[in-house]
Amino acid sequence: GAVVSQHPSWVICKSGTSVKIECRSLDFQATTMFWYRQFPKKSLMLMATSNEGSKATYEQGVEKDKFLINHASLTLSTLTVTSAHPEDSSFYICSARAPTHYEQYFGPGTRLTVT
Amino acid sequence: DAKTTQPPSMDCAEGRAANLPCNHSTISGNEYVYWYRQIHSQGPQYIIHGLKNNETNEMASLIITEDRKSSTLILPHATLRDTAVYYCIVRYRRSTGGFKTIFGAGTRLFVKA
Repeated sequence: GAVVSQHPSWVICKSGTSVKIECRSLDFQATTMFWYRQFPKKSLMLMATSNEGSKATYEQGVEKDKFLINHASLTLSTLTVTSAHPEDSSFYICSARAPTHYEQYFGPGTRLTVT
Repeated sequence: DAKTTQPPSMDCAEGRAANLPCNHSTISGNEYVYWYRQIHSQGPQYIIHGLKNNETNEMASLIITEDRKSSTLILPHATLRDTAVYYCIVRYRRSTGGFKTIFGAGTRLFVKA
């Protein structure tokens, strides 16, 4: 089956710094990738959808300058949390879809803690 | 995409069948019913999906009512490892894309020994 990986699996950073999270499709080419965030005991919230080679489409209420998404290749998308603050601490999950696939495949998630 | 309604939590005894209901009364004719689950601190795991007919795979069975307004996910012999949040999602299924998976609150299933 299709595998999606994320790196790092967890990260701790200081307030004001930027953090980059990588999402890779390991055995398929992902033309579309999705980024979600999840707070404790809450459901996943879709942040943005990115298509390879084009700008990401952000959901309402998500700051695009705060959460920079780059989908530069068919197997890699990155989410950069800029000037991170404690309230950005969350579980970030990516998902990928291949051009001829009907399904989304989810990564294992990255836990970000901002101190 | 149509919205879904699920009970917030359920308990199930280990070894018994777990029946998780989902209401999707506004589902349209081309929308599929999907089930995912999320074990604590992991990414969502696909379980099963269906359109009209009942479906079964190695993990679970999906029963969809004739009017498609509700469905039930059945885990035939629940184990402790099935303790997770189960999400029922309704969305289109197209190879050309243009869909995104939106998660509701889900049902927190506790399987007890």
